[in-house]
Amino acid sequence: AQTVTQSQPEMSVQEAETVTLSCTYDTSESNYYLFWYKQPPSRQMILVIRQEAYKQQNATENRFSVNFQKAAKSFSLKISDSQLGDTAMYFCAFMKRFLLSGNTGKLIFGQGTTLQVKP
Amino acid sequence: GAVVSQHPSWVICKSGTSVKIECRSLDFQATTMFWYRQFPKQSLMLMATSNEGSKATYEQGVEKDKFLINHASLTLSTLTVTSAHPEDSSFYICSVRGQLIMYGYTFGSGTRLTVV
Repeated sequence: AQTVTQSQPEMSVQEAETVTLSCTYDTSESNYYLFWYKQPPSRQMILVIRQEAYKQQNATENRFSVNFQKAAKSFSLKISDSQLGDTAMYFCAFMKRFLLSGNTGKLIFGQGTTLQVKP
Repeated sequence: GAVVSQHPSWVICKSGTSVKIECRSLDFQATTMFWYRQFPKQSLMLMATSNEGSKATYEQGVEKDKFLINHASLTLSTLTVTSAHPEDSSFYICSVRGQLIMYGYTFGSGTRLTVV
């Protein structure tokens, strides 16, 4: 079974600074996707960034980037130039790549990290 | 990605009554939808996978008779909390897998259920 672990329950960062959120996972699969989702106070889940495990290049989306270490099973999220709107709960998630019998494509979430951006 | 509408946003019901929550995929025919439950400041807990035209697949520990899921069409899945009790009070979220699995999932805006 797959597990996702976020060891930082809460973090804070000053506006315009950089912060890194940690995520580790455990799986015997070789083909999978990893995601970071953001849940602001509105509680709407928003996709921040995704990474395909077969790609070595780290994904980037504007101020958001990941450090994907497949061998170490680590998938950290770096937020550069933090903004007040980045205040949210962040979830790391894992999904098997192929939809085969018994694999419904469900997401497995970590416990979440609450990020507070301070002015 | 898919556009997902979840209704109602919040609902208050009396203990012992039933409540239905709707999840609609507005621009995409979703054969599979997922229902989650979330307690304050906690992660999303998958309750069940809703499959169009067939019975839902429930996660271990989730009561099938209490949380009835119906996925009668490619655009609508419903979650009915039957004989609700205060301990069922929670935030319920649905999600739809996109046409391309690599793009992940789109989530509804959630339903806050309070049972009094």
